[in-house]
Amino acid sequence: EPEVTQTPSHQVTQMGQEVILRCVPISNHLYFYWYRQILGQKVEFLVSFYNNEISEKSEIFDDQFSVERPDGSNFTLKIRSTKLEDSAMYFCASTPSAVTDTQYFGPGTRLTVL
Amino acid sequence: GNSVTQMEGPVTLSEEAFLTINCTYTATGYPSLFWYVQYPGEGLQLLLKATKADDKGSNKGFEATYRKETTSFHLEKGSVQVSDSAVYFCALSDSSYKLIFGSGTRLLVRP
Repeated sequence: EPEVTQTPSHQVTQMGQEVILRCVPISNHLYFYWYRQILGQKVEFLVSFYNNEISEKSEIFDDQFSVERPDGSNFTLKIRSTKLEDSAMYFCASTPSAVTDTQYFGPGTRLTVL
Repeated sequence: GNSVTQMEGPVTLSEEAFLTINCTYTATGYPSLFWYVQYPGEGLQLLLKATKADDKGSNKGFEATYRKETTSFHLEKGSVQVSDSAVYFCALSDSSYKLIFGSGTRLLVRP
């Protein structure tokens, strides 16, 4: 069964450094999402992406965040200058169409900012 | 705005006990409703969904019915197993198709 994959599984970085989290969505999917889960808290929507542009972003998704689909298979989340409060589990999700609305999640990347 | 409220956990049950995890929602329009499960150290897996009022989603012995009159989508299972121990998230899909999650309920099943 096709899966969403994410790399790395765990990323440790120093505050102020840039990180790029990578996701490979399911191949025929067209809509892509990033969510994050701070330890012990609820899963929060960050951004949705369709047709090579952002469809919607939350208030969390400020100028430090960006997303890109550089090569038709990868979907990346970049944090330009990490803060301690960016430490969280980041989940990528994809869906074949918005109408289908069942999102398939990757296993997540745990980001630790020191 | 749209929101999901779940019962606080952890919920601790003995094997073969009956499970209910309450979930209520606030939304404009007619959202789709979901239960996702997160096993220890893993990502989110879709457990079941319902897309309109009175629909019942079911999977692996779990069931939930979309109740518009009470704005609820409670998760039930007749007989839990140790392997059901996980965190369960109720979620809705709003008009822009993003998911809005509840805070999650941890279930611990003891042998």
